[in-house]
Amino acid sequence: GQQLNQSPQSMFIQEGEDVSMNCTSSSIFNTWLWYKQDPGEGPVLLIALYKAGELTSNGRLTAQFGITRKDSFLNISASIPSDVGIYFCAGLRSWGKLQFGAGTQVVVTP
Amino acid sequence: SAVISQKPSRDICQRGTSLTIQCQVDSQVTMMFWYRQQPGQSLTLIATANQGSEATYESGFVIDKFPISRPNLTFSTLTVSNMSPEDSSIYLCSAGTGDNEQFFGPGTRLTVL
Repeated sequence: GQQLNQSPQSMFIQEGEDVSMNCTSSSIFNTWLWYKQDPGEGPVLLIALYKAGELTSNGRLTAQFGITRKDSFLNISASIPSDVGIYFCAGLRSWGKLQFGAGTQVVVTP
Repeated sequence: SAVISQKPSRDICQRGTSLTIQCQVDSQVTMMFWYRQQPGQSLTLIATANQGSEATYESGFVIDKFPISRPNLTFSTLTVSNMSPEDSSIYLCSAGTGDNEQFFGPGTRLTVL
């Protein structure tokens, strides 16, 4: 089946630094979604990408849908303490089913 | 977007018992799903909850263990049957909108003793 590889597994950064994470797949997806999960909460949708090459921003977040449709990246600029959490990529399979990456744990130190 | 609530938010259950988790969406949605998130892990799709028909299960999940109901376009239940400690996880409900976005509930944290 399709494999989603998300990296890095964790990041320890200082406040104000930029963060970058990516996901790669062995197969093509038609939609990529990026989520953030805080402890004790469900995942919250950050950005949705629908077209190969698409670059979308949401505040300090920027995500891109790779040209090959097999990868996506998420950047967070000028990190702040509330950026702490686990970030997941997800590729949309047929019939609305999501396949998730393993997650990137982001820790922001002052 | 869709706002999703789940009940209960958490529970501690004895081995061999069953727990039914409820999921309520604030608007009619086409698609509803159930996911499992084991401790420290990512999310794994259990099944698609189909309105008016049997749920569609992913490989490794069966109806006898995880019966699902979806009586209408805003509500679904997942039952975790004959529980064992290995079933201790977060169970999450999600709803898909027409533009391929998918929103999640807050999850139900289940501990089986």
